[in-house]
Amino acid sequence: QVQLVESGGGVVQPGRSLRLSCAASGFTFREFGMHWVRQAPGKGLEWVANIWYDGTTKNYAASVKGRFTISRDNSKNTVFVQMNSLRAEDTAVYYCGKSEGHFAEPIESWGQGTLVTVSS
Amino acid sequence: QSVLTQPPSRSGAPGQRVTVSCSGSGSNIGSNYVYWYQQLPGAAPKLLIRRNNQRPSGVPDRFSGSKSDTSASLAINGLRSEDEADYYCAAWDDNLTGYVFGPGTKVTVL
Repeated sequence: QVQLVESGGGVVQPGRSLRLSCAASGFTFREFGMHWVRQAPGKGLEWVANIWYDGTTKNYAASVKGRFTISRDNSKNTVFVQMNSLRAEDTAVYYCGKSEGHFAEPIESWGQGTLVTVSS
Repeated sequence: QSVLTQPPSRSGAPGQRVTVSCSGSGSNIGSNYVYWYQQLPGAAPKLLIRRNNQRPSGVPDRFSGSKSDTSASLAINGLRSEDEADYYCAAWDDNLTGYVFGPGTKVTVL
């Protein structure tokens, strides 16, 4: 079955960078779009970014545009999000999600999440 | 503020029917599918309803979804204690070129 395992979370100072990874298994990774969604402590879900199956198209939430970059390595079945210029309000559990289809279709499977804490 | 609107909470006794509404606009719900996710306490979200009203394999038929114009609704029939969770609606927004989630509705079983 589909398995998504996020890693790379931790505590980071404001203004610094962090890269999250999501290792996928149980499906043909190169055929599906992927997403990142975050959830601040005690808050709701916020979509962050998505990337098409072939990496050619990426979309970002306004709150992270210009600071975060989503990418993927289909040879390693992994999707990444590079997070730069981190702010306190980026503190959240970050989930990766498998799209229903090749492009920007919604998430049908979720990982367990990795916690990012931005604090001095 | 969320682009999609949901009531903060809903409650019902075991066996009752509970509905959760989700209101949007023409750029999201009005022109795209609505998805519903269930998040149990301390867990990752799980897909509950896809494409307005389709249940993925394994989701009990007590859960159903509907959509009309710029609003959608999730219904839980025969409420059970294990349904106590947060429920989120989501849709693609053509103006924002991205996904929007509702703020979530906490369903409590009395």
